[in-house]
Amino acid sequence: SSELTQDPAVSVALGQTVRITCQGDSLRSYYASWYQQKPGQAPVLVIYGKNNRPSGIPDRFSGSSSGNTASLTITGAQAEDEADYYCNSRDSSGNHPGVVFGGGTKLTVL
Amino acid sequence: QVQLQQWGAGLLKPSETLSLTCAVYGGSFSGYYWSWIRQPPGKGLEWIGEINHSGSTNYNPSLKSRVTISVDTSKNQFSLKLSSVTAADTAVYYCARGDYGDYGRYYYYYMDVWGKGTTVTVSS
Repeated sequence: SSELTQDPAVSVALGQTVRITCQGDSLRSYYASWYQQKPGQAPVLVIYGKNNRPSGIPDRFSGSSSGNTASLTITGAQAEDEADYYCNSRDSSGNHPGVVFGGGTKLTVL
Repeated sequence: QVQLQQWGAGLLKPSETLSLTCAVYGGSFSGYYWSWIRQPPGKGLEWIGEINHSGSTNYNPSLKSRVTISVDTSKNQFSLKLSSVTAADTAVYYCARGDYGDYGRYYYYYMDVWGKGTTVTVSS
């Protein structure tokens, strides 16, 4: 089955821009979706499709994709953005149709 | 606004069967894939499996031999059964709605509505 690879941890200074990446073969045919998860809470969708934000998600969150790599960019990171971030897509390998998650990236806002 | 409400037993003994149900309120049941995801303590998200309104299922290969996901469209509910549980199945279990489509050459998939999660502990 396909896998999605994320850096385990990333840090950013308050107000600066940070990019969180996700790599995997399935991303050559699927846009990644991105989820924010804070301690003790369910994940929340922040980016989906080409670069779409659900209602209520600040416009400092954006997504992009190139080849087998998807990126989540936070422009002007805020303290409340400190969380775990997961990417997700469907498995495009054809062997086991289903869903895959990246291992998650812990974002620290300094 | 669509909401997912989930419930089930939170404490199991090894070898028992985990059983959880998720009810869909405020939206259509058809046209989506309905998933179960779990998260062991301190670890990442693991997809367990999914079902659509017609009962078509896909499972994580690593869990497939122990997992059954079923649907009751009359109640807008879907359920998870995981047999022969061990301590390794201790996790928070989430249900979620999956939407999908394509922009021509590229596809998209995302989970836009999540349940609050159920903590399941397996202990003798």
